[in-house]
Amino acid sequence: GQQVQQSPASLVLQEGENAELQCNFSTSLNSMQWFYQRPGGSLVSLFYNPSGTKQSGRLTSTTVIKERRSSLHISSSQTTDSGTYLCAASSGSWQLIFGSGTQLTVMP
Amino acid sequence: ETAVFQTPNYHVTQVGNEVSFNCKQTLGHDTMYWYKQDSKKLLKIMFSYNNKQLIVNETVPRRFSPQSSDKAHLNLRIKSVEPEDSAVYLCASSTRGRNQDTQYFGPGTRLLVL
Repeated sequence: GQQVQQSPASLVLQEGENAELQCNFSTSLNSMQWFYQRPGGSLVSLFYNPSGTKQSGRLTSTTVIKERRSSLHISSSQTTDSGTYLCAASSGSWQLIFGSGTQLTVMP
Repeated sequence: ETAVFQTPNYHVTQVGNEVSFNCKQTLGHDTMYWYKQDSKKLLKIMFSYNNKQLIVNETVPRRFSPQSSDKAHLNLRIKSVEPEDSAVYLCASSTRGRNQDTQYFGPGTRLLVL
């Protein structure tokens, strides 16, 4: 079936450390997207990254379609990066299939 | 900047009541979506509307029904709520609706069914 598996489920870092979040998706899915959700807040789109590497400030997303995986790298983490990071992929239809999320906590 | 608006932010009700959630987007998008996010943060799509036509209807209970007056509005009505309906309901919109563009999400409506 259509699946998106995200890891780790939770991650605790000290401020300044780097974070690597992973997403694996089944063969029927593509068009990977990454979202950020603040505690109690709405989803904010970080990247639409169907393939290759994209960077925005301290965030870098890399999707390798052949290996059915996508990663989100956060460099020099800050306390304001704390929240839930969600990846999602689509089957080319109208719907996004979401991963279960990574709860990131950055300690001061 | 918020461009997808949802009301109410929070709603508490009792089992069996009817509730209605509103969503409006000012982005000029032609596709809107409703997602349910459970306590484990798992997001699942419920409905999507493109040009006022229902194009995705997942296996949600019949007590849920989307309502759209135009492409900028997509409301969600729940008849006779159940305890398992307690969740955050997120509205989103996108252009073309083919996931070639990112989806923009509203702040969510948190529903608590007592």
